[in-house]
Formats: sequence, structure tokens, C-alpha cells
Amino acid sequence: DAGITQSPRHKVTETGTPVTLRCHQTENHRYMYWYRQDPGHGLRLIHYSYGVKDTDKGEVSDGYSVSRSKTEDFLLTLESATSSQTSVYFCAISERGQVAWNEQFFGPGTRLTVL
Amino acid sequence: AQSVTQLDSHVSVSEGTPVLLRCNYSSSYSPSLFWYVQHPNKGLQLLLKYTSAATLVKGINGFEAEFKKSETSFHLTKPSAHMSDAAEYFCVVSASVTGGGNKLTFGTGTQLKVEL
Repeated sequence: DAGITQSPRHKVTETGTPVTLRCHQTENHRYMYWYRQDPGHGLRLIHYSYGVKDTDKGEVSDGYSVSRSKTEDFLLTLESATSSQTSVYFCAISERGQVAWNEQFFGPGTRLTVL
Repeated sequence: AQSVTQLDSHVSVSEGTPVLLRCNYSSSYSPSLFWYVQHPNKGLQLLLKYTSAATLVKGINGFEAEFKKSETSFHLTKPSAHMSDAAEYFCVVSASVTGGGNKLTFGTGTQLKVEL
């Protein structure tokens, strides 16, 4: 497996509280991504990063923010968690982003429950 | 915009029989296509990818897929199913995005069940 860890692996929180998920990589890959996985939807892109301090929105970015202050870390923050953000969150990395066929390597996932 | 449609949400086969998981794509240009597999409570693993070099793509664990532009399809096959193949399979189309990364658009998944 690519050197990708996610923390925490499981979290239960209450509506309205802030939550931060961390993705850490040891591969020195430039590109990092956050996805959420929900039944019947596959995985959907939340945000991605193409370098330190360089981020952009994906297709389901409302209610989420990200930060990347170091190559190895990509943080996903739910400013005020809602029940609709209950999901499994996956981080992914890729090395060469200049072509569309570069595969992404996925972390183990974080299961988040918002009560 | 691009998208993928996985035509079966569940497929059940007997061990030792062929596997066919169907995927159709929509893309305004020549697509980059992938198949990923997810075993229960695990992350995603790349099975194979199409990059326009060859229409028949071989992947890990005996899986292969054929890109058919005329049919806009990228079906995944395996000649003989094994119990360990039971998992969820995702067909994925990729596109470049701002800054040089690439965005993956996932199908809704096909759950493969393998019976004795």
C-alpha cells in the first residue's frame, strides 16, 4: 500500500461541532484529494490540492474547507457538522497530475457519524 | 461533463465461472478509464487502467477490460471467479483539472458475490 494514513479512523460527533480529518502521506506526492463515499453514489470529490497552499473545490465542497501547509499533510474541516455529512471519507494521492490517466492511491478511510 | 454508468448494482456468480461487470461511459473527448476494487471495510485498490495505448487492458488478479469506443463501454471480465473476488467494483473516468491534478468520477459500484 502507498504510504497514506488517515486520522482518526472513526469519529462520532454532534451536529454543529467542528471536525477536522487528517491525511498524511510519506510518498512526497504533489497531488492530494478528499472524497466522500455514500451508498448509491460511489465516491465524490470534495476538494483537492495541487501543491502546498494550492487547493480547489470538487463537486461536493459545500460545508467543507481544506488546508495544506506541508506536502505530506492535507486537512479536511467540517466547520459545523451536519447529519448529511455522515459518511466515509477517503484521502487519495497521485504523483504526476499532468495527464488524466494517472491513478490515485487511496487511504484506509475515516468513518464519520454526525448525530 | 463526463460520467460512468455501471449497469448492474449486484452480480452473483458461482466460483469457477466467468465474471462480467458492465460499464458505459460518457465523455466529450478520449477518456481515461479505470476499474477499482473495494473489499469490505477496506480502501480502494486499482485493478487496471485504460490510457489509449491498447484497447484490451490486463490488470491484477486475472481481470481484464476492453475499451470499445463504438459502444462507449469498458466492461470488466475474469475467466474464472474466485471466492476472494467478492467485493465492490467501481468503474471510473478521469479528467484533468485546474492546477494539473485529475478528477476521478466514480460509478455507483457493482457488488460482486461469489458462491460456492
